Amino acid sequence: AQSVAQPEDQVNVAEGNPLTVKCTYSVSGNPYLFWYVQYPNRGLQFLLKYITGDNLVKGSYGFEAEFNKSQTSFHLKKPSALVSDSALYFCAVSLNAGKSTFGDGTTLTVKP
Amino acid sequence: GAVVSQHPSRVICKSGTSVKIECRSLDFQATTMFWYRQFPKKSLMLMATSNEGSKATYEQGVEKDKFLINHASLTLSTLTVTSAHPEDSSFYICSAISRQETQYFGPGTRLLVL
Repeated sequence: AQSVAQPEDQVNVAEGNPLTVKCTYSVSGNPYLFWYVQYPNRGLQFLLKYITGDNLVKGSYGFEAEFNKSQTSFHLKKPSALVSDSALYFCAVSLNAGKSTFGDGTTLTVKP
Repeated sequence: GAVVSQHPSRVICKSGTSVKIECRSLDFQATTMFWYRQFPKKSLMLMATSNEGSKATYEQGVEKDKFLINHASLTLSTLTVTSAHPEDSSFYICSAISRQETQYFGPGTRLLVL
């Protein structure tokens, strides 16, 4: 079985400060890891993914994530947060390109 | 990036009626699509896997006779909520897998059953 944990329901940061949204996973095998963002009443938008290769993955809107196999983590980061980054963020894991398991989501609020 | 559309974006219906939601991959072919349900401020719950040309695979606890899925072509999957009731009110989201092994999501359909 595979699972994803997003330990923080809410993350608050000031505009211009770095942000981190945490994600840890559990899967038997090599994981495919994803981050998605959801704005109110909208579907999920793909931000970035890790399948293989460099542990540091760069994605859309200046976001990046680092795959850490020993800590089974895939934290989402951005060096300088924008107010427009405020949204609901989901981490997901799958064993292949198929069925994904999603975390419960983390609400990011960036204050001016 | 790849685009997935859903229609309608919002639907209000009376209890007992059926509602069809379409999911289309606009610029790529998808042999596999997924249907999710999302409650307010909650994560996505996978309902079923839609396979082109074959029967859908439903997750445990999801009634296949209530949530009919048809994957008629490589770019279209439909979800029909039959005999809808107020407890079926939710946000339904579909996704499609691209050849680059990335899951792209539709914008969602808000269903309200009165």
